Amino acid sequence: QAQVVQSGTEVKKPGASVKVSCKTSGYTFSSYGISWVRQAPGRGFEWIGWISALNGNTNYAQKFHDRVTMTRDTSTTTAYMELTSLTSDDTAVYYCAPEVGWWGQGTLVIVSS
Amino acid sequence: DIVMTQTPLFSPVIVGQPASISCRSSQSLVDSDGNTYLNWLQQRPGQPPRLLIYQISKRFSGVPDRFSGSGAGTEFTLRISRVEPEDVAIYYCMQAAEFPDTFGQGTKLEIK
Repeated sequence: QAQVVQSGTEVKKPGASVKVSCKTSGYTFSSYGISWVRQAPGRGFEWIGWISALNGNTNYAQKFHDRVTMTRDTSTTTAYMELTSLTSDDTAVYYCAPEVGWWGQGTLVIVSS
Repeated sequence: DIVMTQTPLFSPVIVGQPASISCRSSQSLVDSDGNTYLNWLQQRPGQPPRLLIYQISKRFSGVPDRFSGSGAGTEFTLRISRVEPEDVAIYYCMQAAEFPDTFGQGTKLEIK
């Protein structure tokens, strides 16, 4: 079965940036796009965007389009999500979700002064 | 954006009894390829989400057959034939028919 492993907890100051990685294995990386979703404490899910692992094309949620960059490295079968200009409202668990069906374990991002 | 509405939001059930969760989308989830991209996720306490059902009724790898999905168009249902203690979780429907993907509010399943 596929494996999806994300980078660890990040603590950032307001105004900083964070880059979360999503290392995949056990499936053909370039055959499936990858979505990024976040979940604020005690809340539901919010879709951030999607990247094609095949060609790197992206589609970002309007809310994040000026602050988010999604990339992927086919040589290491890893996807990345960078979010800039962080505020306390960005405190959440960030998940990568390849279309193959397996989700990452989540990365907690805490934004605090 | 497509709005996903789940009912009920809270479901107390007895072990061994069935449970059912409904999900309605604000527009059709049938894609141009003819598939309907409606998924069900399970999130146990303190755990990441797990895909249970995709394309309305297809069980994902390792999902017990007591879980089933049905529906069409804009109305969908997740059924658990006999609830087990490990089914305590929040269940979410989500659509992946068009960007942005959107999620239901979640239904909390608890043991009575």
